[in-house]
Amino acid sequence: NAGVTQTPKFRVLKTGQSMTLLCAQDMNHEYMYWYRQDPGMGLRLIHYSVGEGTTAKGEVPDGYNVSRLKKQNFLLGLESAAPSQTSVYFCASESSYNSPLHFGNGTRLTVT
Amino acid sequence: AQSVAQPEDQVNVAEGNPLTVKCTYSVSGNPYLFWYVQYPNRGLQFLLKYITGDNLVKGSYGFEAEFNKSQTSFHLKKPSALVSDSALYFCAVRDLNAGNNRKLIWGLGTSLAVNP
Repeated sequence: NAGVTQTPKFRVLKTGQSMTLLCAQDMNHEYMYWYRQDPGMGLRLIHYSVGEGTTAKGEVPDGYNVSRLKKQNFLLGLESAAPSQTSVYFCASESSYNSPLHFGNGTRLTVT
Repeated sequence: AQSVAQPEDQVNVAEGNPLTVKCTYSVSGNPYLFWYVQYPNRGLQFLLKYITGDNLVKGSYGFEAEFNKSQTSFHLKKPSALVSDSALYFCAVRDLNAGNNRKLIWGLGTSLAVNP
């Protein structure tokens, strides 16, 4: 099982450019999440989805959009990148609220 | 307010010694509690969880944690540390009485260094 796969692993953007981060899971999980991890700030939830076709805002949604057109995929978009979005982005999925999260290995994004 | 505290940014222990990584929480209802570990340049990996039942839970790699309701704590422990245990450890809690019970509340992490 691949588990949770994130692409790309690394990316450098210039301010104002756009990009999409892809998360794919092969565990048939209903719930998927996008987090960002910054030094000293732990994990912060950007957006999440409770099933195919649904999305909801997390703690820090501004500047990001998401889509869950297929159950196995959860896309995170940056329409106009800003240096404040330099971070490591993690996707995670789970089957239920008492089950553990499964994380991808992250995307390291630098915005110059 | 709901919160998770990991009071130590860093814990240093000698290989072979017992280790403890502390976690306290504040939620209004019944908590589901989790520990995760993060190795460099990797995503977080699940270690163990407390849902209900025995207050002492055992997890992966020889780790265990004790749920203490009166002290609202869920400290992670291991009897004998290994150098390979050196990593970043995160405590997380889910409040079952919260309106949005999907939201995990995360601690800021504790960096564990095990010295040979």
